[in-house]
Amino acid sequence: DGGITQSPKYLFRKEGQNVTLSCEQNLNHDAMYWYRQDPGQGLRLIYYSQIVNDFQKGDIAEGYSVSREKKESFPLTVTSAQKNPTAFYLCASTSPRTGGIGYTFGSGTRLTVV
Amino acid sequence: KQEVTQIPAALSVPEGENLVLNCSFTDSAIYNLQWFRQDPGKGLTSLLLIQSSQREQTSGRLNASLDKSSGRSTLYIAASQPGDSATYLCAVEETSGSRLTFGEGTQLTVNP
Repeated sequence: DGGITQSPKYLFRKEGQNVTLSCEQNLNHDAMYWYRQDPGQGLRLIYYSQIVNDFQKGDIAEGYSVSREKKESFPLTVTSAQKNPTAFYLCASTSPRTGGIGYTFGSGTRLTVV
Repeated sequence: KQEVTQIPAALSVPEGENLVLNCSFTDSAIYNLQWFRQDPGKGLTSLLLIQSSQREQTSGRLNASLDKSSGRSTLYIAASQPGDSATYLCAVEETSGSRLTFGEGTQLTVNP
């Protein structure tokens, strides 16, 4: 079955540490996205990529970095510059060229600072 | 900047009731509108996708309508069941692949 796989499901970060969240899709989608979800708030866009080797900042990119070396993969690194990283992180994908197919989301990674 | 609002923020109903969830958006120039369901601690599950040229979509007990000119969408759930308890999110896409802008969701509880 096609879908998006996020790993790990739970991640704990120490102060000053960088951590990387994995997102892999086998849907042959060109575009991939990272969203952050905090309690009582809607989903906010961190970064997105519409093509391999290219990506754009979303609304809350500070303290995060991404890469898009393969079509299937869009890892997110939470750096030590992100002062409040505890949140639920969701990865999504779609196919802009096909259009009208909507977005598919992964099952999320919950990041906690310890 | 597109803004999406969902009303009510929370809703509690007895089993069997028909209910309506509301979504409004400020910029009517949208490409798609998508309704999602989110269970606690889980990812988003797509329920219905309405393209800008469509007026409504149906899937089982769910029906979503779209009125672009007034910037509104509704999600109708017929004969609600306890298993429908979840948070329902509305999201709009302004151009193909641009991004999704989300509302804050409606938390639905269906009591047996």
